[in-house]
Amino acid sequence: QVTLMESGPALVKPTQTLTLTCTFSGFSLSTTGMCVTWIRQPPGKALEWLARIDWDDDKHYNTSLTARLTISKDTSKNQVVLTMTNMDPVDTATYYCARISSGWPQREYYFDYWGQGTLVTVSS
Amino acid sequence: ILLTQSPGTLSLSPGQRATLSCRASQRVSSNYLAWYQQKPGQAPRLLIYGASSRATGIPDRFSGSGSGTDFTLTISRLEPEDFAVYYCQQYGSSPPETFGGGTKVEIK
Repeated sequence: QVTLMESGPALVKPTQTLTLTCTFSGFSLSTTGMCVTWIRQPPGKALEWLARIDWDDDKHYNTSLTARLTISKDTSKNQVVLTMTNMDPVDTATYYCARISSGWPQREYYFDYWGQGTLVTVSS
Repeated sequence: ILLTQSPGTLSLSPGQRATLSCRASQRVSSNYLAWYQQKPGQAPRLLIYGASSRATGIPDRFSGSGSGTDFTLTISRLEPEDFAVYYCQQYGSSPPETFGGGTKVEIK
């Protein structure tokens, strides 16, 4: 059974750094083709892809947020961590982590399992 | 690749057929397009991948079609639990894995 769960602060102040952790079970991020991605959704708005980390530690970022994002994994703990620097009120959103089982060498990067999301509010 | 979903809102009654559109700004390689359903307060749920393959456990009233730049999600007969927001996502040119703006299917 695949599960993912996001954790992190519910409230951060402007200019602070946000650190979110995705803890998962039911798969291994060392398995070829497995990836974990972060996606966010501002209240009442659409989904926005943020970053992805692959089984081989390859990392990919939303080009508009590259300078602010860092994604990393701890395979032994089944965790993926996302940091976002210089938080602003416009970053207020529900942040989701999701799994990709890409079928490598096929590159099927769709999201088959999602965490329940964590709401992060940026306010002083 | 930019994805444009239409209409923004679809007002229908249970039992009716829903047709949702997703148009890409350029060809989606290998028809790598997925559809998700999201209900209030919940995470999105994968419905369709590869433009037309249903995900595990998805009822057969949901179907996906299309190729190139034009894709469609059809719900043959709306059930009360189908009223939600639907997003398309392309992964043919990734990263990034981009989403459309969503279509809300509401009860008329």
